[in-house]
Amino acid sequence: SQTIHQWPATLVQPVGSPLSLECTVEGTSNPNLYWYRQAAGRGLQLLFYSVGIGQISSEVPQNLSASRPQDRQFILSSKKLLLSDSGFYLCASRGRVYGYTFGSGTRLTVV
Amino acid sequence: GENVEQHPSTLSVQEGDSAVIKCTYSDSASNYFPWYKQELGKGPQLIIDIRSNVGEKKDQRIAVTLNKTAKHFSLHITETQPEDSAVYFCAALDSWGKFQFGAGTQVVVTP
Repeated sequence: SQTIHQWPATLVQPVGSPLSLECTVEGTSNPNLYWYRQAAGRGLQLLFYSVGIGQISSEVPQNLSASRPQDRQFILSSKKLLLSDSGFYLCASRGRVYGYTFGSGTRLTVV
Repeated sequence: GENVEQHPSTLSVQEGDSAVIKCTYSDSASNYFPWYKQELGKGPQLIIDIRSNVGEKKDQRIAVTLNKTAKHFSLHITETQPEDSAVYFCAALDSWGKFQFGAGTQVVVTP
């Protein structure tokens, strides 16, 4: 079965600082990888998805970017954080089975 | 694209009673419907899923029903326990191969 490693668990960053969140996947090869944001409340907003190394699709225009340097590594970045970037960020993987496996999430607070 | 609506947004039940969460979807080509449970500060975890070739699936105290004609599916939790308290998400796999999530239901089980 798949395992998603996501870190850090919590992060407090000042406005204007850079961001790098990392996600790695074990137990599957060539997975589809996803970054979601969950703001206060409960909805899951899809930010980026990737079907392979170097392939990134963006769902919404924003201050963030994503990269996939290796098959099982997915990185979410920002050059300059905004207050509105605060939220709970979730990485997800979809391998050979239908469903998603989610990581444990990163709570980002921009101050 | 797919649009998934989830009701209710909040559900309070007495321990031992049943809880029912309902979702509707718009894409008639959707063929896979997972349910996720998210505890506070954690990533969502898959708890049960159903494919379009069956109408009902059960796993201990949890069951899911699907009505393809009406395009709705429901999660049923029987004999609720305090540890069932969480946010529950429904999802539908649309014809583009993407998951569309409901907005979530906060379930509170009171002793």
